[in-house]
Amino acid sequence: AQSVTQPDIHITVSEGASLELRCNYSYGATPYLFWYVQSPGQGLQLLLKYFSGDTLVQGIKGFEAEFKRSQSSFNLRKPSVHWSDAAEYFCAVAPLYNQGGKLIFGQGTELSVKP
Amino acid sequence: DTEVTQTPKHLVMGMTNKKSLKCEQHMGHRAMYWYKQKAKKPPELMFVYSYEKLSINESVPSRFSPECPNSSLLNLHLHALQPEDSALYLCASSQKNPGTLVEQFFGPGTRLTVL
Repeated sequence: AQSVTQPDIHITVSEGASLELRCNYSYGATPYLFWYVQSPGQGLQLLLKYFSGDTLVQGIKGFEAEFKRSQSSFNLRKPSVHWSDAAEYFCAVAPLYNQGGKLIFGQGTELSVKP
Repeated sequence: DTEVTQTPKHLVMGMTNKKSLKCEQHMGHRAMYWYKQKAKKPPELMFVYSYEKLSINESVPSRFSPECPNSSLLNLHLHALQPEDSALYLCASSQKNPGTLVEQFFGPGTRLTVL
């Protein structure tokens, strides 16, 4: 069965420090991959996506993610975290050949930023 | 216009009430989605509409009744809900190309409380 694992439930980093959020997926082929961010009480905002091509993907707000096929991973990174980055982050995958538009989400990683 | 709007922002209802949630997008997207999200959890897919037709119902109880009056609008009619139905209800939309999937754009959600 397809699944997405975000091993870290909660991460705390200092403002200005670098950040890496982990995401591993289980799927027979390379799926579509996404990272979404959700501030408290808000909807989800797409940070970046990977469909094919260059395995290093640039997103909004200074985020990037690297797809590693050999590790079935799609980790999210940011070189310098800002206090406004505190939020919940969801990794999601979708089958390469659309199964009706389903997204499979990881359980999420809550990011706290300390001054 | 690149956003999905949802009304109302907050809704409190009794178990015998009938209410509706509304979602609107003007991006020309032909796939629209309803998700339910409990606190500290990822969104759970409820329904998918493709070209105004219901294509996925994730075994949602009949007290939730979706409706897609036209390509821009999606409603969720609520009747005889239970307190455990209290959650954030998210709407999303995406382009719909047969056999492919592109990213979903989410609305800000409706915070529903059932008393």
